[in-house]
Amino acid sequence: GDSVTQMEGPVTLSEEAFLTINCTYTATGYPSLFWYVQYPGEGLQLLLKATKADDKGSNKGFEATYRKETTSFHLEKGSVQVSDSAVYFCALNTGANSKLTFGKGITLSVRP
Amino acid sequence: DTGVSQDPRHKITKRGQNVTFRCDPISEHNRLYWYRQTLGQGPEFLTYFQNEAQLEKSRLLSDRFSAERPKGSFSTLEIQRTEQGDSAMYLCASSNPGQGAEQYFGPGTRLTVT
Repeated sequence: GDSVTQMEGPVTLSEEAFLTINCTYTATGYPSLFWYVQYPGEGLQLLLKATKADDKGSNKGFEATYRKETTSFHLEKGSVQVSDSAVYFCALNTGANSKLTFGKGITLSVRP
Repeated sequence: DTGVSQDPRHKITKRGQNVTFRCDPISEHNRLYWYRQTLGQGPEFLTYFQNEAQLEKSRLLSDRFSAERPKGSFSTLEIQRTEQGDSAMYLCASSNPGQGAEQYFGPGTRLTVT
């Protein structure tokens, strides 16, 4: 079945540091890939997505590229801010039902 | 539209009791999903509706769980004879059809079974 593997956390960075959060997947068919973010006390919200190979999703300074050859969708940001502190989930869906399969999530803490 | 809403936000119940949660999706969305999230894990799919039809149920959804979406608008998720293992955050999401369509999530209902 489909699965998503995220790097182990938590991750703690200083403000303005470079961020990479790794995500790899296993899927039957051709998935769409997503990064969702959950800020403290808030619900899950979509951060970015990519629907086919080599697509790059971007939002709020975050980027991720759909790499079919390595089955990866790593999240990057060049300069993190304290306000980026949150839990980040990588997810995919395939097929007509479009149900999401999530990774375990990783907690990012950014210190001033 | 203010987004997906869920009620209640928190529920504490004793083992063996029945509980019911409600989800109001974004009005123009015809798909509605239920997920369950336990501490330290990502959300896991439970079931989904296209309009009023329940099209798929996960193996996680035991016979004690039932979901409805009677008029293709709001949905309810009922858990009968709750067990401590049912303690989790129950999330609802809605979307339009399509593999790449964004699912919009509600704030969740946190269930604690004592």
